[in-house]
Amino acid sequence: GENVEQHPSTLSVQEGDSAVIKCTYSDSASNYFPWYKQELGKRPQLIIDIRSNVGEKKDQRIAVTLNKTAKHFSLHITETQPEDSAVYFCAAIYNDMRFGAGTRLTVKP
Amino acid sequence: DAGVIQSPRHEVTEMGQEVTLRCKPISGHNSLFWYRQTMMRGLELLIYFNNNVPIDDSGMPEDRFSAKMPNASFSTLKIQPSEPRDSAVYFCASSSSSGTTDTQYFGPGTRLTVL
Repeated sequence: GENVEQHPSTLSVQEGDSAVIKCTYSDSASNYFPWYKQELGKRPQLIIDIRSNVGEKKDQRIAVTLNKTAKHFSLHITETQPEDSAVYFCAAIYNDMRFGAGTRLTVKP
Repeated sequence: DAGVIQSPRHEVTEMGQEVTLRCKPISGHNSLFWYRQTMMRGLELLIYFNNNVPIDDSGMPEDRFSAKMPNASFSTLKIQPSEPRDSAVYFCASSSSSGTTDTQYFGPGTRLTVL
């Protein structure tokens, strides 16, 4: 089955800096890679996703890159703001679905 | 649209009792997912349904857990008998696609505490 590793587990940045979260996966058949943001006590919400036929996708301050050969994908947040503080989860999906352990991002004002 | 609806939002029960969690997916969505989230194990997929049929239940931890989807607008996750290690937040999510590779919309979750 799929195995997803996510790093770092915690990340603290100054407001305005960039944040990068990385995930690796094991199943080369995985072809869908969503990223979820979960604020304290709230539900996970999809912020961006990428499919295996695309190398990069951007939505305003958020971008995701995928390297299928190396089996890793990354979330990039630019110009971070305090409201970006949350736990971020990656996932790798085909028939099997696995989530990373999460990254707690803190953006200091 | 009201989004995915889950009930109850909080449940406190004693070990050995039966617990039933409920979920109403977004209207028109044909896939439904049950997840469990704990600090130790993170977010885990328990089971998912497509068109009311269970497709993959390999994540269901043991026979004490069962899930049903009698119609397109309702699903239940039952734990019988409950144990303290079942304490977690249980999320239901739905998707408009027939598989797993599309956007899932999560409900607010049910926080279960088993004493």
